[in-house]
Amino acid sequence: QQQVKQSPQSLIVQKGGISIINCAYENTAFDYFPWYQQFPGKGPALLIAIRPDVSEKKEGRFTISFNKSAKQFSLHIMDSQPGDSATYFCAASSLQGGTYKYIFGTGTRLKVLA
Amino acid sequence: ETGVTQTPRHLVMGMTNKKSLKCEQHLGHNAMYWYKQSAKKPLELMFVYNFKEQTENNSVPSRFSPECPNSSHLFLHLHTLQPEDSALYLCASSQKQGIWQTQYFGPGTRLLVL
Repeated sequence: QQQVKQSPQSLIVQKGGISIINCAYENTAFDYFPWYQQFPGKGPALLIAIRPDVSEKKEGRFTISFNKSAKQFSLHIMDSQPGDSATYFCAASSLQGGTYKYIFGTGTRLKVLA
Repeated sequence: ETGVTQTPRHLVMGMTNKKSLKCEQHLGHNAMYWYKQSAKKPLELMFVYNFKEQTENNSVPSRFSPECPNSSHLFLHLHTLQPEDSALYLCASSQKQGIWQTQYFGPGTRLLVL
């Protein structure tokens, strides 16, 4: 119940295309859903995050879609660029035992072809 | 230097060695985290310190020993590790431990245990 299932494991998209990465969860207590971007040799960096009281959040070319009833959320990268090639992690956070814990997905390696 | 720094960036050690990983954050944060990142696995939270107090030990073997002398520094002392401990060890910080807190990650220490 504490897992966050992320798919696909890897993704290849043409430049200018739309990249879509999906995550699903079971624990309805999760109340914060960030996405992290990680380039080789770097640590993950927060890309965009959403709270469960909204269904969509957009920041530039990056959009999170959130479906509370289906317990799913996804990252959409519009007009994908070669510079977007990185590993993307979804995460979910909830209060557990008095502290907030983050559960991460397994990551999606995105390659955008020039 | 800004952000979260980690040293060393790469470490090779034998199973009988003792070594330490260092993390320093220049963001004025009060919470610091150690994560383990292994290939094709979710990021695993190991330890959390909030205002220098350990608030989370995620069932980590005692061969990993954290130390947080102040809010800016975090260490991970390693001794008698196993080859399966080889991974990327990431340090992160946030303003405090709590909901909707953005975690800022360092670049990680790539550890190889022979």
